[in-house]
Formats: sequence, C-alpha cells, structure tokens
Amino acid sequence: ETGVTQTPRHLVMGMTNKKSLKCEQHLGHNAMYWYKQSAKKPLELMFVYSLEERVENNSVPSRFSPECPNSSHLFLHLHTLQPEDSALYLCASSQDGTGLGELFFGEGSRLTVL
Amino acid sequence: AQTVTQSQPEMSVQEAETVTLSCTYDTSESDYYLFWYKQPPSRQMILVIRQEAYKQQNATENRFSVNFQKAAKSFSLKISDSQLGDAAMYFCAYEGAQKLVFGQGTRLTINP
Repeated sequence: ETGVTQTPRHLVMGMTNKKSLKCEQHLGHNAMYWYKQSAKKPLELMFVYSLEERVENNSVPSRFSPECPNSSHLFLHLHTLQPEDSALYLCASSQDGTGLGELFFGEGSRLTVL
Repeated sequence: AQTVTQSQPEMSVQEAETVTLSCTYDTSESDYYLFWYKQPPSRQMILVIRQEAYKQQNATENRFSVNFQKAAKSFSLKISDSQLGDAAMYFCAYEGAQKLVFGQGTRLTINP
C-alpha cells in the first residue's frame, strides 16, 4: 500500500451536488493536510489537522468542509461548489503538525465542477 | 508574509546534461527550512531535497544538489546527469515559523 491514498482519483460534479473526497494515511503520522493545486498557481493550503484537531483553516469558503475522524483518515466534504473550484486536491501527512519534517502526498483527486 | 517565486514556468534539458532550476523567497525570519519537491505526471509529489537555513553547506542527494545563498534569498536546484525519469513539475517550498509556502512550480522536460 502506498503511504497516502486518496479516493476518488477523478470526480465530476454539478454545482448542486454533494460529494466527499477521502484520504487515508498508513504512515502513523499525526498531522494531515488538504491542499488545492490549480494550474500555474502555487499550492494553496486549505486545512491542517494535528492529532485530529483542526489547527489551520486558511480562509476557505464554507462550501468546503473538512472532517478528521481519526489520525489516519481525512475527508473533504463538498457542497454547492463553483466552476472555479475545479482543481487537483492533494492530501498530505507529516509526523507532526509543524510541517518541518517531510510532507508525504497522495496522488490527488482531480475535481471538475460543471 | 513569506513568498516563494519560481521564475521559470518551464525548462528543458537534454538527457545526461545538467539543469538548474531557480527559486527565490522573501522572509524576515532567520531560521527556516527550504525544500524542493518533485511531482511526476499523475504521480505523487515527493521530497527531493531539504536545506536548513542555519547550515552553510549546500545539501546534496545523489544527482540533486542545491545552491543556497542566504543573503540573496536564493535556493536553486541543480540536477546533474538528467534522466528521463526526472521529467516532472518541481516545486520550491519555504517553511519558517508558520506554514509551508510553495512556489508556482517549474515544469521540467527531458529531451532524449
């Protein structure tokens, strides 16, 4: 198994749909992250969870709702998204929430909003 | 706020040649870390190399090395003996007291 697994790999949804992205890490890390990757833009940090507590919410619109039920799983719930939300959403984990260590990324979930 | 700039959206190099990717950053902190991450097409982003700002010696990992110029706030990545598998997006990243900040990325193409 790879260290960080994301599902689904591809998702197409309408603006009125509700969907969720899932991330699972098998590395025993204590921190998990959601990043948004858009073309020709830097990676944007969305949320950080450390020991299952949200430690950062980077002014993300409420149509994105994270959930971290335990240190191995992270979800991103999506509701009434906009076309500009189409992007690659990357999950990552690290040993702790400082990020000073190495980040381990999943392959990403490619989201298209119609 | 810290910023990271990669001024080269795209680069290409002949196989077996050497290529250097540029990165500059802006910060008022004295202690921080710098990273280069590699994102191959449709594959996971992985850490290539890491540099602690307090270390004067440039980090090296096999064919990958950095030129860290702290005063100039420059952190370039040199790839020697380029291989087809080096083709990827390369992201420079900075971490100080706060979160990790990434640059826009440089797409590297390897010409056989």
